[in-house]
Amino acid sequence: EVQLVESGGGLVQPGRSMKLSCAASGFTFSNYGMAWVRQAPTKGLEWVATISYDGSSTYYRDSVKGRFTISRDNAKSTLYLQMNSLRSEDTATYYCTREGAALAYWGQGTLVTVSS
Amino acid sequence: DVVMTQTPVSLSVSLGGQVSISCRSSQSLVHNNGNTYLSWYLQKPGQSPQLLIYKVSNRFSGISDRFSGSGSGTDFTLKISRVEPDDLGVYYCGQGTQYPRTFGGGTKLELK
Repeated sequence: EVQLVESGGGLVQPGRSMKLSCAASGFTFSNYGMAWVRQAPTKGLEWVATISYDGSSTYYRDSVKGRFTISRDNAKSTLYLQMNSLRSEDTATYYCTREGAALAYWGQGTLVTVSS
Repeated sequence: DVVMTQTPVSLSVSLGGQVSISCRSSQSLVHNNGNTYLSWYLQKPGQSPQLLIYKVSNRFSGISDRFSGSGSGTDFTLKISRVEPDDLGVYYCGQGTQYPRTFGGGTKLELK
């Protein structure tokens, strides 16, 4: 069974940093691209970033470019999202998802609240 | 960026009824490789989104045949027949043809 378990969310002040993790199991992690998708409270889905299966390619939405870094450790089957210079508009539940023809599997999400 | 426009924003249905949700993209979703990466997701209350349909019309593993997807180019439709209580929630279309990936604004399916 595919499982994606996010961790690392919480309350953080504007301008500070936070690192999210996603532990994957139930599939060969190193064979798949992975992505982060977020959802602000009561809002819709917003793609954040994608990383290729081997980490050689990364893609970001414009609003997080230069502030967020997606990375992975295939030996640990873990996906990361390093978030710097956080803003109030980054407040959202962040979901880890498995890339493919679609976003086939989603974690339960981790809530990031950016507030002073 | 590809803008995904979903209609209607909300939909009321009786159990056992049928509904259709429309999704239109601002650009063709046909990829250079010939595939069309249009997907449908359902987010039930308090849960993570789940994949229903991928590449326009392919049902994901375990998804009932009451769900069907159709369309091409820029115009797509999700149909749900014989609506059940477990079908209620917010439906999103999403495109994976180009970056940034984008989603429609969502359609909330409620009971009449």
